[in-house]
Amino acid sequence: DAGVIQSPRHEVTEMGQEVTLRCKPISGHNSLFWYRQTMMRGLELLIYFNNNVPIDDSGMPEDRFSAKMPNASFSTLKIQPSEPRDSAVYFCASSTSGANTEAFFGQGTRLTVV
Amino acid sequence: RKEVEQDPGPFNVPEGATVAFNCTYSNSASQSFFWYRQDCRKEPKLLMSVYSSGNEDGRFTAQLNRASQYISLLIRDSKLSDSATYLCVVLGGSYIPTFGRGTSLIVHP
Repeated sequence: DAGVIQSPRHEVTEMGQEVTLRCKPISGHNSLFWYRQTMMRGLELLIYFNNNVPIDDSGMPEDRFSAKMPNASFSTLKIQPSEPRDSAVYFCASSTSGANTEAFFGQGTRLTVV
Repeated sequence: RKEVEQDPGPFNVPEGATVAFNCTYSNSASQSFFWYRQDCRKEPKLLMSVYSSGNEDGRFTAQLNRASQYISLLIRDSKLSDSATYLCVVLGGSYIPTFGRGTSLIVHP
């Protein structure tokens, strides 16, 4: 298996532009997580999907952020409009449901908003 | 209070040293516990699960104290390649992994 695949790996955009991050989870995994990592705040959960349904989006910062999972093999995280404070590494992770299950991470998208 | 707390370090130790990290969690209903390792500019990867009875994997030993709500990781005979950030991870009833901010370890010659 290729693991969790994220694209793009790097994104530099101007403030106010729309940014879309993409994720393909591991086949057979029914849980998908979007995290944001910064030096100041560490790894923060943005949203959690189970069986393609958003279960917990309490970590989504504000209305500028939205996430979708139209099917079991694809998810997007969109920021519109982007702001410099959104600069971070965004990770997607997937797992099977249940206790003692490992979350597998993609390589992340390093976003810089200038 | 953050759900999962760790000393950020850095822990700067010579090769061959023994080093221990601790982590505390706030949710007493938490069910599963892990240590992940994250290398610079890479994604986090599972190092080991933490079981109630304690468990060992080579030079690494993990322990859980449910009464005090803390988890520990002991690394014996440190290697240069152990230099990384070690993340404490807790799964609550919803099975969402909650990460600590990580403890940085630097092993020097």
